[in-house]
Parts: sequence; structure tokens; C-alpha cells
Amino acid sequence: KAGVTQTPRYLIKTRGQQVTLSCSPISGHRSVSWYQQTPGQGLQFLFEYFSETQRNKGNFPGRFSGRQFSNSRSEMNVSTLELGDSALYLCASSLQPGRLQFFGPGTRLTVL
Amino acid sequence: KQEVTQIPAALSVPEGENLVLNCSFTDSAIYNLQWFRQDPGKGLTSLLLIQSSQREQTSGRLNASLDKSSGRSTLYIAASQPGDSATYLCAVDEGAQKLVFGQGTRLTINP
Repeated sequence: KAGVTQTPRYLIKTRGQQVTLSCSPISGHRSVSWYQQTPGQGLQFLFEYFSETQRNKGNFPGRFSGRQFSNSRSEMNVSTLELGDSALYLCASSLQPGRLQFFGPGTRLTVL
Repeated sequence: KQEVTQIPAALSVPEGENLVLNCSFTDSAIYNLQWFRQDPGKGLTSLLLIQSSQREQTSGRLNASLDKSSGRSTLYIAASQPGDSATYLCAVDEGAQKLVFGQGTRLTINP
């Protein structure tokens, strides 16, 4: 069974631009969560989707948004990029809420 | 607000030793607790998940315990190997798949 895949793996953007990251969960998994990892703040929860509905959201500004499609694939979007958005963005999927979460390799975003 | 703390921040031991990593959390209202490892520049690898009603879980040389009432979990690694070198993260699930992570323990196993 293929693992969680994230595209692209690396991304370089400039301040003010917007970016869309993609996550394909493990086949059959319906819950997808997104996390931001930075050296200073560590891993922080962004949001979680289950059956195309956002069920939980972390403490991030409205510039961070996401969605989930009917095939459980998810995208997250960051608008008006800031230097502080430079981070490793990780996606995780699980069969259902409360079960083990499996993480993808991440997308490393650099904002110049 | 849930806070997760991991001690120590870094640990270096010779190969073959048994070791314990510690994790504490401030709010005992959790659904489960998970342990992960992260290799440099990589994503997270799930190691163990302990449901809130369980006391421990074992997988190979790894054993994780959970004491919800005292807000503590430990990860025991037996007979450590150089391949165990990584950062180990614990995370509590507050519900709706929201994981709150500790800052991790960077483990180095010296051959």
C-alpha cells in the first residue's frame, strides 16, 4: 500500500505570493491533517478534514486555508506569503479519527 | 491550553544500552498519545499509539507507557542500536485528530 504522498517536495516563493500544497492520503484513509514544523515553534496543528469537512482548526491566521476532495485528497493554500511561513509542511492521514496517523515526507517551503 | 514537554532535549548513549525518554502533558483529557521518530529532513514515522484507556503498548524493542492521571508517558528502548539515532516526538491527541507535539528528544546512539 502506498504511503502518504505530498507534492511538491520543495518550493521557493517570494513574499506576497500564494502557494498551494497537495496531499494524497493512504488509500482508504478519510481523515487528513496538516501541520507546520519550524525550528522555533516545532510542530503545530493547522487543520483536519474528514469526509470533506473541516472539523478542527489550529491557531493560524486566515491566510492559511485548506480543503478536501471526495477522493480524500487534500490541498492547503497559503496566501500573501510572509518570511515566517518558511517551514516544513506535513500532511498526515488516518483511517478514521482516533486511529494512528501516518505522515507524508512533507513539503519544504522557503519564502524569500 | 495543552502543553507537552519532553525531557531531555538531547541524549547520547553508547550502543547496546537501554534508555528511557520522557514526555509530560498538562491536560489529562486526551484521546490517545502517540510516539513518533523523525530523521533529519524527513517526515514522521509512527512508532506506537496508546489509547487513553490503555497503560502501555509494545512493538519490538520499544515499549511505551501512559499514566494519564499524572500526565506522563515514557518510551523505553531496549538494546539501542546506531539506527535508533533520530529525534523522538510524543504527541497527545486532543480529539478531532488534533495532535499537540512536544519539542522532541534528539537521540544519538554511539557505536
